[in-house]
Amino acid sequence: DAGITQSPRHKVTETGTPVTLRCHQTENHRYMYWYRQDPGHGLRLIHYSYGVKDTDKGEVSDGYSVSRSKTEDFLLTLESATSSQTSVYFCAISEQQGDTEAFFGQGTRLTVV
Amino acid sequence: SQQGEEDPQALSIQEGENATMNCSYKTSINNLQWYRQNSGRGLVHLILIRSNEREKHSGRLRVTLDTSKKSSSLLITASRAADTASYFCATGPGSARQLTFGSGTQLTVLP
Repeated sequence: DAGITQSPRHKVTETGTPVTLRCHQTENHRYMYWYRQDPGHGLRLIHYSYGVKDTDKGEVSDGYSVSRSKTEDFLLTLESATSSQTSVYFCAISEQQGDTEAFFGQGTRLTVV
Repeated sequence: SQQGEEDPQALSIQEGENATMNCSYKTSINNLQWYRQNSGRGLVHLILIRSNEREKHSGRLRVTLDTSKKSSSLLITASRAADTASYFCATGPGSARQLTFGSGTQLTVLP
């Protein structure tokens, strides 16, 4: 398995609280992505990074922010969690942007109550 | 919005049979990829086919790409119970600049 670790794997949080999910890679890949997976919607891109401190928005970025201060770490923050953000979140990495295979983490199941 | 859409949404077959899943997309692409997701796990890359290729094989997998119809198919031959999973197509990069996933096909292989 590619060296991608997501933490935490499961989290339950209350509406209105901030939440940070972490993705750590040991592959030194340039590109990192955060997706959310919901029934009937497949995977939707939240944000992605194309280098340290270089990030851009994806399809469903509202309510989320990201940071990448080191090549190996990509953080996803829900500033004020809402029930609509209950989902499974996946981190992925790739060497090139969309032109090579992507490697996925095991996912984080987030429940906002 | 999703670029790729898989068909059917769910497929149930007997062990040993072939399974075919289809993917349609809307805009131009550089490549199309197929991924597998076992229940509760992350996605695993299966195969990538580039826009200038028409067919590609990997073990029991055969992928075709028809850019004129903006469609692809994934064939799994001699299916096994272990093939039970969700299968996703993903297109990239095209105008979206990154991989865009469909909603997947849930394949169940009955022993």
